[in-house]
Amino acid sequence: EDQVTQSPEALRLQEGESSSLNCSYTVSGLRGLFWYRQDPGKGPEFLFTLYSAGEEKEKERLKATLTKKESFLHITAPKPEDSATYLCAVQGGSQGNLIFGKGTKLSVKP
Amino acid sequence: KAGVTQTPRYLIKTRGQQVTLSCSPISGHRSVSWYQQTPGQGLQFLFEYFSETQRNKGNFPGRFSGRQFSNSRSEMNVSTLELGDSALYLCASRMAQETQYFGPGTRLLVL
Repeated sequence: EDQVTQSPEALRLQEGESSSLNCSYTVSGLRGLFWYRQDPGKGPEFLFTLYSAGEEKEKERLKATLTKKESFLHITAPKPEDSATYLCAVQGGSQGNLIFGKGTKLSVKP
Repeated sequence: KAGVTQTPRYLIKTRGQQVTLSCSPISGHRSVSWYQQTPGQGLQFLFEYFSETQRNKGNFPGRFSGRQFSNSRSEMNVSTLELGDSALYLCASRMAQETQYFGPGTRLLVL
């Protein structure tokens, strides 16, 4: 069964304190791994798509990496505006739907 | 380019009623997917439509149904509402096999 597990569930950082969020997955035939950011009361906002092990993508203070079993979202020198829930999802097999993890709620204090 | 739009944004219904939610995809996107988000279960896939045909369906009861029109707009219907149907319903659109972009969601409260 395809499955996505994110850790930690919640993370509190001081502004400028870098850290990483983890997404472990099991899927038959990975077609893509996706990272989204979700603010309270809003829909998920697309961040990155990763397709194969070894791939990395960056956007401002965020960097996503992918191995055969997990993905990391590295946050460098975070700011309070980076506070949000970060969702990881995989797309696998012949299906087009995304399978989501429960998310990591990030709080960055000034 | 305008993003995915969903109407209404908020809805209050009572048990036993039915509800219809609407989603307009990004222009040019032919695939529309629906997800249910709850605090306990997270985001769960309901169904996907492509060119007016249901292409994939999640593990939800038959009370949940949908359709897609020729202009790619989609509607989702839930009949005989239950308290547990209270959730944020999200619609996402994409080109054929690319990244899904989400709308703001419809917050449904069942009393």
